[in-house]
Amino acid sequence: DADVTQTPRNRITKTGKRIMLECSQTKGHDRMYWYRQDPGLGLQLIYYSFDVKDINKGEISDGYSVSRQAQAKFSLSLESAIPNQTALYFCATSDHQGRATEAFFGQGTRLTVV
Amino acid sequence: SQQGEEDPQALSIQEGENATMNCSYKTSINNLQWYRQNSGRGLVHLILIRSNEREKHSGRLRVTLDTSKKSSSLLITASRAADTASYFCATDRGSTLGRLYFGRGTQLTVWP
Repeated sequence: DADVTQTPRNRITKTGKRIMLECSQTKGHDRMYWYRQDPGLGLQLIYYSFDVKDINKGEISDGYSVSRQAQAKFSLSLESAIPNQTALYFCATSDHQGRATEAFFGQGTRLTVV
Repeated sequence: SQQGEEDPQALSIQEGENATMNCSYKTSINNLQWYRQNSGRGLVHLILIRSNEREKHSGRLRVTLDTSKKSSSLLITASRAADTASYFCATDRGSTLGRLYFGRGTQLTVWP
């Protein structure tokens, strides 16, 4: 089983619809992230959370919101989807406790807004 | 905005050859990490090098870091067709440990 699980894996939605992408992890990490990837580009950070009560905006948070329901769950919402939000979305986790470590990524959610 | 920029954008080599990818960045860092992404899949961590380290090895991977030039290189020796993927560098800046800034990546194709 994957350590970082994203659902759904693929989604097609219409402009103006609200959509939620979910992420759960079994790694026990305190830090969780949502990234967006557009073709030919690297990953851009949307939101991140360093613990359940901590939510921070990333580089491109406009049009998105998040909820950290538990240490293991971090969901991303598009309140009113628009076509330029069509992209590949990744959830990631990391564990620090005072030291730098790697990030673990989910398999991604391919979102298409028509 | 992206912190790291990889060079070249695309690299095509034959199996057995070495592949070198470069990453440049703009601000001071805690560490620099390299990730691999197979087409449309999640990123997989390859190696992390801290700002006080100059070189690190992991299997066929060799990473160097030159903080004075704000650059890093990833060398894959004896490339295999299975190494075909996109490779990204990510920098971890001083202010927020753990928040990563990714470059646009290098697409490596290794021909059998």
